[in-house]
Amino acid sequence: DAKTTQPPSMDCAEGRAANLPCNHSTISGNEYVYWYRQIHSQGPQYIIHGLKNNETNEMASLIITEDRKSSTLILPHATLRDTAVYYCIVRVATDNAGNMLTFGGGTRLMVKP
Amino acid sequence: DVKVTQSSRYLVKRTGEKVFLECVQDMDHENMFWYRQDPGLGLRLIYFSYDVKMKEKGDIPEGYSVSREKKERFSLILESASTNQTSMYLCATEGSTTDTQYFGPGTRLTVL
Repeated sequence: DAKTTQPPSMDCAEGRAANLPCNHSTISGNEYVYWYRQIHSQGPQYIIHGLKNNETNEMASLIITEDRKSSTLILPHATLRDTAVYYCIVRVATDNAGNMLTFGGGTRLMVKP
Repeated sequence: DVKVTQSSRYLVKRTGEKVFLECVQDMDHENMFWYRQDPGLGLRLIYFSYDVKMKEKGDIPEGYSVSREKKERFSLILESASTNQTSMYLCATEGSTTDTQYFGPGTRLTVL
């Protein structure tokens, strides 16, 4: 799986959009971009994933650049409960082999009142 | 929504005790995983199972065993707990036709 680079920490004001960047310059054509987050002392929570098109769900939007070398996770209206560590991962689409997830350092997002 | 539950959120055991951690999922997923997570070391895969009674070792299986007698249930067993097994244990599930792993809430195990 390709390596990702994220800033170690970011702050965001409550109610504002949080834009979390991720670089994955060595991504392969069959690798998806996944985002998870982990709130302190809880299990990781799946947020969103995409291959090359932008994606949106009830939690967030994922913007992937045309060359797929970077992406941005957008939380449109951050709340205090969005304070967490956010992990960007790239991984191959399933091959039924039960591929393990590998989390890097992630970005610690602090949402402030 | 996928629901993955783990038997305990917090557990304290003594060295040498046998410890059972249980994970249950309600999405009929084929693949189930046990990870441990430690500060500075990220997620490390202990075991995974791709079907009932099937199991594969992950990166750090020593000191652990697993059991998958039913599709929805995957148990992690510490035969003789040691202090270096103090950690956060995370269960995850994944369907064979989906690309997304869903995690349980985690069990923070302390071995004294």
